[in-house]
Amino acid sequence: DVKVTQSSRYLVKRTGEKVFLECVQDMDHENMFWYRQDPGLGLRLIYFSYDVKMKEKGDIPEGYSVSREKKERFSLILESASTNQTSMYLCASSFSDRGTDTQYFGPGTRLTVL
Amino acid sequence: SQQGEEDPQALSIQEGENATMNCSYKTSINNLQWYRQNSGRGLVHLILIRSNEREKHSGRLRVTLDTSKKSSSLLITASRAADTASYFCAIEIYNQGGKLIFGQGTELSVKP
Repeated sequence: DVKVTQSSRYLVKRTGEKVFLECVQDMDHENMFWYRQDPGLGLRLIYFSYDVKMKEKGDIPEGYSVSREKKERFSLILESASTNQTSMYLCASSFSDRGTDTQYFGPGTRLTVL
Repeated sequence: SQQGEEDPQALSIQEGENATMNCSYKTSINNLQWYRQNSGRGLVHLILIRSNEREKHSGRLRVTLDTSKKSSSLLITASRAADTASYFCAIEIYNQGGKLIFGQGTELSVKP
């Protein structure tokens, strides 16, 4: 079974803090993704990565950065957290299989920025 | 937006009834996928239908795809209380392999 784990289920941070969200997958997947989920807005893609040290901007990258130093680990960084970044953050991974990629999700991190 | 749009936003039915959810999109796709999310958890993949397929079954799930109308439907037959969850469609856009665009979801409530 594919397992995608996220470092925290719940996180509370203060405005201006630097926040690290970690995601680890154990199935040697090439692709990894970070989404945020907000009521009424569905899932929105923040950043994704097709390989180690590679990153691509998604639909809403502003205020975020990512790091992928190892294939199994994809980190999302909030350089200076703001209250509008309070959200549920979901990490996912997939195996590149041209035209039939399915994504495996972690349990999510609910981040509150005060 | 190329985003999949789902209809209805919320659906409440009795156990044993069928549940139908619809998804529409605006662009050419490689495939369309359906995911399920239990409250406060991550998403779980249910079923994938390729752009050259019209219908697919998996257990109590039936998915149809009409690429001429750019729409898909998910049917859950003989629903159970445990089917209560949010259901999302996601499209993989043609020539943008690996990246999915998710709809806003349908919240299904199945009452015992």
